Amino acid sequence: AQTVTQSQPEMSVQEAETVTLSCTYDTSESDYYLFWYKQPPSRQMILVIRQEAYKQQNATENRFSVNFQKAAKSFSLKISDSQLGDAAMYFCGCVGAQKLVFGQGTRLTINP
Amino acid sequence: NAGVTQTPKFRILKIGQSMTLQCTQDMNHNYMYWYRQDPGMGLKLIYYSVGAGITDKGEVPNGYNVSRSTTEDFPLRLELAAPSQTSVYFCASTITTYNEQFFGPGTRLTVL
Repeated sequence: AQTVTQSQPEMSVQEAETVTLSCTYDTSESDYYLFWYKQPPSRQMILVIRQEAYKQQNATENRFSVNFQKAAKSFSLKISDSQLGDAAMYFCGCVGAQKLVFGQGTRLTINP
Repeated sequence: NAGVTQTPKFRILKIGQSMTLQCTQDMNHNYMYWYRQDPGMGLKLIYYSVGAGITDKGEVPNGYNVSRSTTEDFPLRLELAAPSQTSVYFCASTITTYNEQFFGPGTRLTVL
């Protein structure tokens, strides 16, 4: 079974600045993957980035990157050059044994 | 490709009524999932299926039933609706457990 904790219910950042969203997880699975999903006001769930737990190299997707610390069970998301369109709820997730478990979410506000 | 479609988009039920939420995907994915999202919270897994004829319980299955007679369809049945089932329901599918899950637009259900 997995548990995922996002300790920041809300975050805000100035446009063009960098922000980091925190996530910690716990799992009994030896093989698992980690995800960040974005949910804008439209309610649609959109994949931001995916990390294979067996890979030491941190995943990056354009302005989005992760800091994966396996021993600490930490999986933070860094957003560089924040844009107004990045405003959304962000959910961290861990999948193992066929089930994806989400954290409670962090609401990100972008200040112009 | 339409991706994952859900019907209806909105529904109001009276306590004790029953209904079926429909979910269809056209990507030939074996894995399908039902989640619920309560206000300000993350998504919680209700039921999932790894292929036609195979279903299993998630984190919050009580009050719900599912079936999977075809690869494309994964309906969620609510029996004897209760106010605690007021939520937004998302269906998702993926080709394998560790790949991106594709989400439908959600169904907002209110039980009064």
